Amino acid sequence: AQTVTQSQPEMSVQEAETVTLSCTYDTSESDYYLFWYKQPPSRQMILVIRQEAYKQQNATENRFSVNFQKAAKSFSLKISDSQLGDAAMYFCAYRSSGRGSTLGRLYFGRGTQLTVWP
Amino acid sequence: GAGVSQSPSNKVTEKGKDVELRCDPISGHTALYWYRQSLGQGLEFLIYFQGNSAPDKSGLPSDRFSAERTGGSVSTLTIQRTQQEDSAVYLCASSLKPRDSEAFFGQGTRLTVV
Repeated sequence: AQTVTQSQPEMSVQEAETVTLSCTYDTSESDYYLFWYKQPPSRQMILVIRQEAYKQQNATENRFSVNFQKAAKSFSLKISDSQLGDAAMYFCAYRSSGRGSTLGRLYFGRGTQLTVWP
Repeated sequence: GAGVSQSPSNKVTEKGKDVELRCDPISGHTALYWYRQSLGQGLEFLIYFQGNSAPDKSGLPSDRFSAERTGGSVSTLTIQRTQQEDSAVYLCASSLKPRDSEAFFGQGTRLTVV
């Protein structure tokens, strides 16, 4: 089974600075998707960024970018110019792109609680 | 609807009682998922519905848990004879199709068993 590990339970950053959240995963598949989700106190999971494993180029969404190292099975999230509104729990997730019963299922890490200081 | 809707938002129940949690997915989304988020944990997969296919129930933790999806739309997660360890946030998500599209999440139901 796929496992996702986030080794940083908590992180903090000063407003306007840059922070990197770590994520590693374990899989025997060659094709899959990776995601970073944000969960504010409202509890609703919000997709921040996604990466297809077959793409070598790292995904970027405005201030959010990833460093995808397929061989190392590493998928870190970099938040640039941090804002107070970025404070939330961040989850790394894996999804298989193959067929079968696991289709569409997301495997999540335990999350990293990000605090942003003014 | 505009998004995935879950009800109730919060539920407190006595140990041993049955509870029903409701999920109203985005209209037209064929895939629907239930996840459980316990305190300090990531999200744990419970069950997955796709169209008219038999659901994937492999994540249900015990036979006290069941779910159904009527008419390919609304889903109900039922927990019988609730236990304190069932206390968690139950999140529902839907996607247009399971493989290539984003999963949209509801705001969850916080279940507290006392």
